[in-house]
Amino acid sequence: SAVISQKPSRDICQRGTSLTIQCQVDSQVTMMFWYRQQPGQSLTLIATANQGSEATYESGFVIDKFPISRPNLTFSTLTVSNMSPEDSSIYLCSVLVRGSTYEQYFGPGTRLTVT
Amino acid sequence: GENVEQHPSTLSVQEGDSAVIKCTYSDSASNYFPWYKQELGKGPQLIIDIRSNVGEKKDQRIAVTLNKTAKHFSLHITETQPEDSAVYFCAASIGRALTFGSGTRLQVQP
Repeated sequence: SAVISQKPSRDICQRGTSLTIQCQVDSQVTMMFWYRQQPGQSLTLIATANQGSEATYESGFVIDKFPISRPNLTFSTLTVSNMSPEDSSIYLCSVLVRGSTYEQYFGPGTRLTVT
Repeated sequence: GENVEQHPSTLSVQEGDSAVIKCTYSDSASNYFPWYKQELGKGPQLIIDIRSNVGEKKDQRIAVTLNKTAKHFSLHITETQPEDSAVYFCAASIGRALTFGSGTRLQVQP
């Protein structure tokens, strides 16, 4: 498995502002993902963070709203831009560890409230 | 794309009883089926998984079964304990990205 940390753990933000969430892993991983979990709901994949190239976004998510960076094998950021109350969710980073074919492990999440 | 349905949405059992959660998937190409447990305020924790070439897998009190023909898989928890209380999610994957079910809130009554 892997130890995954996220910063911040929670935040309350004003509408129209942006927040950058960091994800740090303690070991090299092959793939990193960002998910969103709206209150009381399931998890939805936002995008796959690709090292050194643009992220791959799922239907309904765009780069201008959720820019993602992955400068190396153990770190990624997700920015939630021009926030509205509808962006209030838990944002989760997950990783596919090196040597694993399928197992994904999740970080503790960032709980975002937009007022 | 893949669609995963999960039932029931809530499940209440007495301590010591068994609990069963069922999921169905739509894409016959899916080949990996993990189960996650999410406690309040925490990220999902991988508790067991099964690949499409296996029909059943067991790990102590938890087991997962897979019926590829019917495209459904189930989580079985035996001898439930209060610490099993959480939200459980099933998921399906063709390669990398996971498609999640809607979740089951399990409450184990002491």
